[in-house]
Amino acid sequence: DIQLTQSPSFLSASVGDRVIITCRASQGINTYLVWYQQKHGKAPKLLIDTASTLESGVPSRFSGSGSGTEFTLTISSLQPEDFATYYCQQRRNYPVTFGQGTRLEIK
Amino acid sequence: EAQLVESGGNLVQSGGSLRLSCVASGFSFRSHWMTWVRQAPGKGLEWVANINQDGSAIYYLDSVKGRFTISRDNAGYSLYLHMSSLRAEDTALYYCARLLRDASIFDSWGPGTLVTVSS
Repeated sequence: DIQLTQSPSFLSASVGDRVIITCRASQGINTYLVWYQQKHGKAPKLLIDTASTLESGVPSRFSGSGSGTEFTLTISSLQPEDFATYYCQQRRNYPVTFGQGTRLEIK
Repeated sequence: EAQLVESGGNLVQSGGSLRLSCVASGFSFRSHWMTWVRQAPGKGLEWVANINQDGSAIYYLDSVKGRFTISRDNAGYSLYLHMSSLRAEDTALYYCARLLRDASIFDSWGPGTLVTVSS
């Protein structure tokens, strides 16, 4: 199985900060990497697929990059509504696997 | 707009069975792969199973193989997860979701239904 490791697991930041979350895969997954945002008590929301393709309606302050084994999710200027937990997910092979999550909280 | 609503979650004893349902609306259900993803209380997301448009291709997480069965009724716009031999570690909020472009990109999710397995 492909393991995904996110770092950091917890991040405290302020409105307006630039934030980078990293996702590392245990083997190469090309660009078959997806990012989700999950707010407390809600279902996950798709943000980015294929490593860097922003979903319709997702603000442009979100961006994704990477290929192979290392990927990043960047939020260029944090807004109050961005405080949530973020998950990466690989779709290269079955079983589909997720990272453990990065919880982003207000400083 | 795609909408998914799960039901069927309950408190069940270890070794018991349960069937989850997910009713879809707002999109052509028969055109999409579908999935179940679960989330144990306070934990991360865990993929459970995928099913293709006509049910001819199905994939499971190893730990549920032989115990869980994913199925669908396209005429009824419904997705199912039959769970048996339930274990405490199956306790979770179960989400159904739609796949985008026949790939494991989960673009619409239901609010989830809670399964609690008591030991």
